[in-house]
Amino acid sequence: AQRVTQPEKLLSVFKGAPVELKCNYSYSGSPELFWYVQYSRQRLQLLLRHISRESIKGFTADLNKGETSFHLKKPFAQEEDSAMYYCALSGGSGNTPLVFGKGTRLSVIA
Amino acid sequence: KAGVTQTPRYLIKTRGQQVTLSCSPISGHRSVSWYQQTPGQGLQFLFEYFSETQRNKGNFPGRFSGRQFSNSRSEMNVSTLELGDSALYLCASSPTGARANYGYTFGSGTRLTVV
Repeated sequence: AQRVTQPEKLLSVFKGAPVELKCNYSYSGSPELFWYVQYSRQRLQLLLRHISRESIKGFTADLNKGETSFHLKKPFAQEEDSAMYYCALSGGSGNTPLVFGKGTRLSVIA
Repeated sequence: KAGVTQTPRYLIKTRGQQVTLSCSPISGHRSVSWYQQTPGQGLQFLFEYFSETQRNKGNFPGRFSGRQFSNSRSEMNVSTLELGDSALYLCASSPTGARANYGYTFGSGTRLTVV
C-alpha cells in the first residue's frame, strides 16, 4: 500500500532561516514523489516533482530511497512561503493516482 | 485558458439526502480525479476517471460514485448523506493522470455541509 507521512502539522521559522519540511513514504516499488502547495485563498498547485530535479521558488527536494524520504528544503525562508505544503506519491504504473500526506503548515515569521 | 471549474461552491444538505457535484476540467484534459479534504484526514482519494472509464478507486463506501461524460466533465454523487460526509470535495484534472508534466490542476472545491 502507498502511504505518505508528514510528521509536522505546523512548522514555524523566522524569515531568512533555513526550512526543511519532512516527508516519508511507504511503497515497495519505484514511486514518483511530488510536493504540492496551497497559499492562503488559492487553489492547491504543484510545486515540484522529483523526476524533474528542478528548483522552484528556491525549494528543492531530493528523493532518498534508502530512507524513503523526500524532504522539501529552502536555504532562506521568505514570508511569502507561508502556506500549506503537501507531499504526494504516485506508485506503480503511470496511471496510479496521487496519495497525499496530511500536510504541513509553514509559517514564516518576519 | 479556463481552469478547473467546480459547481456549486457551497452546499448544505440534510442527513439521508443525496447530492451531485460537478467538475469541468481544463479543455483537452482527459483525466479527472476527486478528493475529499477534511481537517482530520487531509486529502483522501475518491476516484479517477479517464476517457469516461473509472481507472482508479479509493477506499470509500459505495454511497460515493461518479461518472465522466464524453466531453470529460465529471460528476460525483453521494447518496444517503451522513454527517461525516461534510468536507471540501476537490476535483483535479490532468491530460493523462497524476504523472503528467504539470501534475494535477485543482479546482476550488465544493464545500459540502451535512446537517
